[in-house]
Parts: sequence; structure tokens; C-alpha cells
Amino acid sequence: AQTVTQSQPEMSVQEAETVTLSCTYDTSESDYYLFWYKQPPSRQMILVIRQEAYKQQNATENRFSVNFQKAAKSFSLKISDSQLGDAAMYFCAYRVTSGTYKYIFGTGTRLKVLA
Amino acid sequence: DAGVIQSPRHEVTEMGQEVTLRCKPISGHNSLFWYRQTMMRGLELLIYFNNNVPIDDSGMPEDRFSAKMPNASFSTLKIQPSEPRDSAVYFCASSFSGDGNQPQHFGDGTRLSIL
Repeated sequence: AQTVTQSQPEMSVQEAETVTLSCTYDTSESDYYLFWYKQPPSRQMILVIRQEAYKQQNATENRFSVNFQKAAKSFSLKISDSQLGDAAMYFCAYRVTSGTYKYIFGTGTRLKVLA
Repeated sequence: DAGVIQSPRHEVTEMGQEVTLRCKPISGHNSLFWYRQTMMRGLELLIYFNNNVPIDDSGMPEDRFSAKMPNASFSTLKIQPSEPRDSAVYFCASSFSGDGNQPQHFGDGTRLSIL
């Protein structure tokens, strides 16, 4: 069975600095999708970034980028130039390409941004 | 474009009462997911539908919980009778399952408090 692990329950970063949130997963599939979601105190779940496993190039969305290491089954999120608005829970999620349509979510990392 | 719409946003009721949560997915999406989020258990998948058919309800905690999707634009999650331990935030999410790269889009959630 697929699993997603976020080993950092909480992280802190100084405003304008860079922080990396870790995520590892376990799967026997060769093709799948990975996502990072952000949940601010307003409790909305907002998609931050996505990565297709067959693409070697790391996805980037403005200040957000991933370090995707397929062999190591690692999918970390890097936030550059951290802003106060980045403070939130961050969830890593995995989805297979076919068959079941469900996502597997990690337990989340709470990010605090210090002014 | 309208996102996933959930109602009510907040619900407070006494134990033993029937609770019905509602969800309108994004038009064109054919997969719908119900999640429950608590501090203790994180984000749990309760049930998901594909093309209005329940695919996996293994996450439904017990017979007091039921979910329906009578058409492509509406779903309900019902708890009868409700208990204090059902207190949580319940999310509905939708996606288009024909393209695995398409992420799930979440509603704003319903915060349920059972007294």
C-alpha cells in the first residue's frame, strides 16, 4: 500500500529566508503524481505545486519549488523568500495514474514564519 | 469560475440529531471525495465517488455515516445519529479523473460541532 510521510510536524523560518519541507512516500508504482497543498488558518486547502513522476525536471511555481528524487522516493518543498502569508499547514499528497482515484495525504507540517 | 461549494460552513447540534452536509462539485469534474479532518487523526478520506458511483467507502467510520451522489452536481454526507466524537471539519473535494495531473479542488469545509 502507498504511504506518505511528513516527518516534520512543525518548522519555523525567518521572513525572507528559505525553508524546505520534507516528504517521503512509499509505492511500487512507476508512474504517479505528487502534490503539495497549503492550508492557512482560514482552513482552505490550496494547491501549491504538482509534479508528475515521469518528469525529471523539478516543478517550480514562483517562490515554490520541489526537489523530486524518484529513486529515493522523496518530494521536498522549498519556499524561497518566505513571507508572513506562507504560514500554514502544508500537506504532501500522492496519487496513482490509474485505477483508484484517491489521494494519499501526509500528516502535514505546520510552518511558522517569524517577522 | 465557482469552486467546490459546501454548506453549511458551520454546524452546531446536539448529540443524537441527524446532520446533513452538502457539496456541489466543480462543473465538469467526475470524481468527488469526502474527507474528515481532526487534530488527532489528520485528514482522513471517508468515501469517494467516480461518475456518481461510490468507489471506495472503506474510510466511513461506521453505519451512522452515509453518503450519496444522486447526480453529477450534488452530494450529501449524512450522520445519524450524531455523536460528540464526530466533531471535526468535513471537506468535500472534486477532480477530473480522466487526467491524473488534475489536482483535487477542495471546498471551504464544514466545521461540525456535536454537543
